[in-house]
Formats: sequence, structure tokens, C-alpha cells
Amino acid sequence: DSGVTQTPKHLITATGQRVTLRCSPRSGDLSVYWYQQSLDQGLQFLIQYYNGEERAKGNILERFSAQQFPDLHSELNLSSLELGDSALYFCASSVSAGPTDTQYFGPGTRLTVL
Amino acid sequence: EDQVTQSPEALRLQEGESSSLNCSYTVSGLRGLFWYRQDPGKGPEFLFTLYSAGEEKEKERLKATLTKKESFLHITAPKPEDSATYLCAANQAGTALIFGKGTTLSVSS
Repeated sequence: DSGVTQTPKHLITATGQRVTLRCSPRSGDLSVYWYQQSLDQGLQFLIQYYNGEERAKGNILERFSAQQFPDLHSELNLSSLELGDSALYFCASSVSAGPTDTQYFGPGTRLTVL
Repeated sequence: EDQVTQSPEALRLQEGESSSLNCSYTVSGLRGLFWYRQDPGKGPEFLFTLYSAGEEKEKERLKATLTKKESFLHITAPKPEDSATYLCAANQAGTALIFGKGTTLSVSS
């Protein structure tokens, strides 16, 4: 158990809908990262927050957005969902935002768009 | 373009048959090279971080090494419970991890 929690574990929804994925980092960690894992693309970085502020952006679609709250939990919002958004979404956390910080991953949310 | 490539994609071993997994990277200014283990449907589990060429780290039957262009994960006398996908990732400048697509290891008894 990494100490990172994610809810829900599974989410099934229809195209065009909007969903919210939630992540609580390990106690004491200030950075939260979101990754998407699909069969053909592997793990792809989406976005990072550090202590409530957006720190870095990766291949995140405009339909997706995220935020980190004062209690450091984070939410990833996915809207106008398409079939291709079906994937595993992982949250990771680290103590700070340094390049050598270990990122600890949560158990993931499996999103299925029908 | 920064890239991490892992080989082989899949590896089947008999219990006790040692082998190595390869991770080659083209990342300028590498700050850290990370190895993770991922079981099906689960989140990646941290194994090692390597910071500079020549560094080695060990944990049970696993040993990770780093050169200027690649990293190896050596598995000595593997057991069926070592079956998993092993992911390699590079960190360049404090932002995202760049992951390889992984090597799926199957160990049969």
C-alpha cells in the first residue's frame, strides 16, 4: 500500500458525459501528478500540482482539467467524454517537486466510456 | 525527443533462470532513472531510483544498474511471484516521469 488513495476504483459512463476522479496524496506529500495509462500508449503524464498550484502540464486534452485543494487532495475532471478516453487513470504523489523525488502511485481509477 | 525504450516487450523464464531487462533512454540532463513493478490492474510499485552512471541498487532478487545510455534490471533466480510488468522511467527536469512501455515478465515453476 503506497498511501495514495483514489476513488472511485471503477467508473462506467457514456460518451459526452463528465466525470470527476479524486486523489488523496500520502501524508506529508505536497505534489500530485496525474497519469493516463492505455494499452497502446503506456503511462502518459497529464498534469502536476504542487501545494495547490499547477506546476507542469503534459499531454492533457483541453476537455480535461484538474485542481488541488487546500487539504492537498486533487481532482481530475474529464468532460465531453469519448470512447478513446477509456483508460486507467493514476494519481501519484511526492514530497516536493524535485527531479529526484520518488513518485508513489495510487491504485488507479478504471474509466470505461460506452 | 526525450524517449525511454524497454526491451524485450515480454520475457518468459523458468523458475531459477536468471535474466536481464533493458531500458535505454535518450533524455538530456537525466536527473533520475526509476524502476517500478506493476501487477495487472494495479498501480506501479516503486522499486529503485538510480542517479548517476555506475550506480547499482539491490533488493532481494533484483539488481538495477545504470550507464550513460541505459539501465538494466537483473533478476537472479526468479520465482513465480516475480511475474509482473516492469516499468522504467526517466526524470529530466523535475516535472514528469517519461515512462517506457514496460517488459512483461512471466516466471513459471
